[in-house]
Amino acid sequence: DGGITQSPKYLFRKEGQNVTLSCEQNLNHDAMYWYRQDPGQGLRLIYYSQIVNDFQKGDIAEGYSVSREKKESFPLTVTSAQKNPTAFYLCASRRPLDSGANVLTFGAGSRLTVL
Amino acid sequence: RKEVEQDPGPFNVPEGATVAFNCTYSNSASQSFFWYRQDCRKEPKLLMSVYSSGNEDGRFTAQLNRASQYISLLIRDSKLSDSATYLCVVNMDNQGGKLIFGQGTELSVKP
Repeated sequence: DGGITQSPKYLFRKEGQNVTLSCEQNLNHDAMYWYRQDPGQGLRLIYYSQIVNDFQKGDIAEGYSVSREKKESFPLTVTSAQKNPTAFYLCASRRPLDSGANVLTFGAGSRLTVL
Repeated sequence: RKEVEQDPGPFNVPEGATVAFNCTYSNSASQSFFWYRQDCRKEPKLLMSVYSSGNEDGRFTAQLNRASQYISLLIRDSKLSDSATYLCVVNMDNQGGKLIFGQGTELSVKP
């Protein structure tokens, strides 16, 4: 079955370390997204990518970086510059805009805790 | 003003009640709207898209009011299993596919 796989599911990090969260999809979706969710809050957009080799900053991109070298993959690096990185990170993908179905499919998420 | 805002909640209702959530958006160019459901510590899942004419799916009805820039979700005959957080999502069509979520409204249905 097609879907989105995020790894790791849980991650602990020491302050000052960079970590990379993986997001892989086999849905043949063009667009991919990274969101952050803090307890009791909604999702905030970090970065998004409409096509390979192109991506845009979302509302809270500072302290994060991404790459989109392959259609299937959109890894997120949480750098040491991110002041409050402990959160639930969600990756999503979306079908082509001309497909008539404009919905997001999410991975199961990665919980990052900074010790 | 936030791009997408929802009723703060939480909503605590008895089984069988009818409950309505509202969501306002600031970008008048937005064309696509959705409601997602999120269970505790899980990823959001699509509940329904919102169409201009309004749409219904069983006990759930979604409405769009473009003039006032809000969308709504009505749940009739609430079930215990409806307890979750409901998120509205707005596609910023004039910003290259940017999808913005509201902060979510928590619903708790009690026996």
